Amino acid sequence: NAGVTQTPKFRVLKTGQSMTLLCAQDMNHEYMYWYRQDPGMGLRLIHYSVGEGTTAKGEVPDGYNVSRLKKQNFLLGLESAAPSQTSVYFCASSYRLLASDTQYFGPGTRLTVL
Amino acid sequence: AQTVTQSQPEMSVQEAETVTLSCTYDTSESDYYLFWYKQPPSRQMILVIRQEAYKQQNATENRFSVNFQKAAKSFSLKISDSQLGDAAMYFCAYRSVRANQAGTALIFGKGTTLSVSS
Repeated sequence: NAGVTQTPKFRVLKTGQSMTLLCAQDMNHEYMYWYRQDPGMGLRLIHYSVGEGTTAKGEVPDGYNVSRLKKQNFLLGLESAAPSQTSVYFCASSYRLLASDTQYFGPGTRLTVL
Repeated sequence: AQTVTQSQPEMSVQEAETVTLSCTYDTSESDYYLFWYKQPPSRQMILVIRQEAYKQQNATENRFSVNFQKAAKSFSLKISDSQLGDAAMYFCAYRSVRANQAGTALIFGKGTTLSVSS
C-alpha cells in the first residue's frame, strides 16, 4: 500500500515550457486535491476532483489545468510555465469530502521555473 | 474569508520537555474543524490531531494535545515529552463544514518550525 505517490520529485523548467505532474493513490479515494506550498506559506488549494472525470477550481487555479481520467490518478498541467509557479506541489486524497476527513498527502514535487 | 495565523515562526525545545505551539484563526462560522499537520524534512504532510468546533473536550493523541478556546478563536498544540523525531514544521489548518457540500479547502497557517535538542 503505497498511499499517495507523486512523479517527478524534482523538476527544473524554463519559462514557457510545459509539464505534467502525476499523482497516484491506491486507497480507492474518491476525492483528490492539488496544493502548492511557497516559502513561508501554508499550502493553498489549486484544483480538486470529486470523482473520475470531475474537477473544480480551488483558491489559486490560474495557470494550471487538471484532469482525472482514472479514479486513482490526478494530473496537474502547466501549459506555459512562469517563474511565479516555482513552488512545491502536493497532491492529497481523501475518502469523503467531509470537513473532518483526513487528507493523505504525497511527498511533494519541487518545481523550479527559470 | 477565514484566516489562520501562527505567530511563532520558530520554536525550540529540549528532549523530554513540553512545548506549546500557538494558532489563532478568524471565522464567522460556528461549525468547522481545526487540524495540526506535521511536515518533517521529508516534506510528507502528516495529520497530528483534529478538533471539531462543537466538541468542547480538547482532542488528545498520545503525547499531543490541544487547547481549543472557541470564543478566543485559539487552537494551540501541546507536545509533551518531546522527542528528536518531533522536529518538523507544524501547520495549523481550518476547514469549514461547508466542505461537506463543496470542496472548500483546508486553510493553512504559515507554519512553525520546531527544533528539538538533546
